[in-house]
Amino acid sequence: AQTVTQSQPEMSVQEAETVTLSCTYDTSESDYYLFWYKQPPSRQMILVIRQEAYKQQNATENRFSVNFQKAAKSFSLKISDSQLGDAAMYFCAYRSGSDDMRFGAGTRLTVKP
Amino acid sequence: DSGVTQTPKHLITATGQRVTLRCSPRSGDLSVYWYQQSLDQGLQFLIQYYNGEERAKGNILERFSAQQFPDLHSELNLSSLELGDSALYFCASSPKGSAYLSYNEQFFGPGTRLTVL
Repeated sequence: AQTVTQSQPEMSVQEAETVTLSCTYDTSESDYYLFWYKQPPSRQMILVIRQEAYKQQNATENRFSVNFQKAAKSFSLKISDSQLGDAAMYFCAYRSGSDDMRFGAGTRLTVKP
Repeated sequence: DSGVTQTPKHLITATGQRVTLRCSPRSGDLSVYWYQQSLDQGLQFLIQYYNGEERAKGNILERFSAQQFPDLHSELNLSSLELGDSALYFCASSPKGSAYLSYNEQFFGPGTRLTVL
């Protein structure tokens, strides 16, 4: 079964600095998608970024970028120029074929002013 | 706003009772997914429907059931409620396409917070 592991329950970053959140996953599939979702205090799940496994180029969305290492089954999220509004729970997620989406346990990010 | 709506926003009920949570997917989305998120936990997949048919089942209890109607809205029924069922229940929908090749992201509703006293 596919599993997603986020080894950092909590992270902290100074405003305007850069932080990287880690995620590893386990799969025997070759084609799949990976996602990072943000859950602010409102509890709404918001898609931050997604990566197709067949693409070697790392996805980027404004201040958010990923480091996708397929062989290592690693998918980290880098947040540059951190803002107070980035404070939230961040969930890494995996999905392939007919499988449901599997979520990691989450990393709580605190942004210090 | 993701375009996915869920009602009610909050629900408070007693143990042993039965409740129904409702979800309307984004316009055109055929797949609906239900997730449970207990306090400070990740999301646990419960069940998926595609165009009215059940497609995948996760960690859904026998006391729970769901269905998707012809207009594509979905309902999650929770019965014989226990204290441990208190959680945030999310509905998500996926863009139109084959359920088995639908790699696209899921768009989440705002959730229904269920409190069982």
